[in-house]
Amino acid sequence: ETGVTQTPRHLVMGMTNKKSLKCEQHLGHNAMYWYKQSAKKPLELMFVYNFKEQTENNSVPSRFSPECPNSSHLFLHLHTLQPEDSALYLCASSHQQTGSYEQYFGPGTRLTVT
Amino acid sequence: TQLLEQSPQFLSIQEGENLTVYCNSSSVFSSLQWYRQEPGEGPVLLVTVVTGGEVKKLKRLTFQFGDARKDSSLHITAAQPGDTGLYLCAGNYGGSQGNLIFGKGTKLSVKP
Repeated sequence: ETGVTQTPRHLVMGMTNKKSLKCEQHLGHNAMYWYKQSAKKPLELMFVYNFKEQTENNSVPSRFSPECPNSSHLFLHLHTLQPEDSALYLCASSHQQTGSYEQYFGPGTRLTVT
Repeated sequence: TQLLEQSPQFLSIQEGENLTVYCNSSSVFSSLQWYRQEPGEGPVLLVTVVTGGEVKKLKRLTFQFGDARKDSSLHITAAQPGDTGLYLCAGNYGGSQGNLIFGKGTKLSVKP
C-alpha cells in the first residue's frame, strides 16, 4: 500500500453506537490530521498530531476522540454522535518542515448518523 | 478569523473552453496550495506556491501567486471532461504546525 489509506470507506451508525475510523500513512510523514468535510462548508480541521503528540484540537466535541499510537496510524473514536455529524471525514499527513506544509489526503470515510 | 474566498463557487463549461478560478484573502500567506477533489475521494495536491509573483505550470493548468501573496489563480486551457472536480485552495499563514486554512472550493463541470 502506498499513500494514505482510510477504513472503512463508508459507515452508517446509530446515535448510540460506538465506532472507530482508521487512517494509515505509508509516506514516512511525522504529522497527521483529521478533517471534517460537510456540504457547503470549507474543510474543517479537527485534530493535529505531530510526532504522535496532539498539538491542536479545534474545539471539537468530546464525542470525537482521536488516538495516535505511532506516527503512521491515526484513529478517530466515535460515540453518541448526532445526525449533524454526518459528513466525509478525511485524514491527511505531512512532513513538517519550514516553508512546506503539503498535506496528502486519504480517500475519506463517508459517515452517516441515523 | 482568517478566511479564504474562492470564486466562482460553481462553473459549468464545454470541453475546449478556457477558465480561471480565484482564491483571495485579506491576509498574507507563507505558502498556498491547490488541490483537486473528485466525488467520494480525498483532495489530491496539484501544486504549492511560495514566492510572490510565482507562476507554475502543470500541463494545461497554470497557477499564479499574487505579488503580495494574498491571492492566487488557477487557469485551465482547453478544459477536458477529466478536469471535472472540486478545486480547493489552501493557505498557510505561517501559524503553528503548518496548519492549512481551506476555501470552500470551486466546483467545475466540463461537458463533452
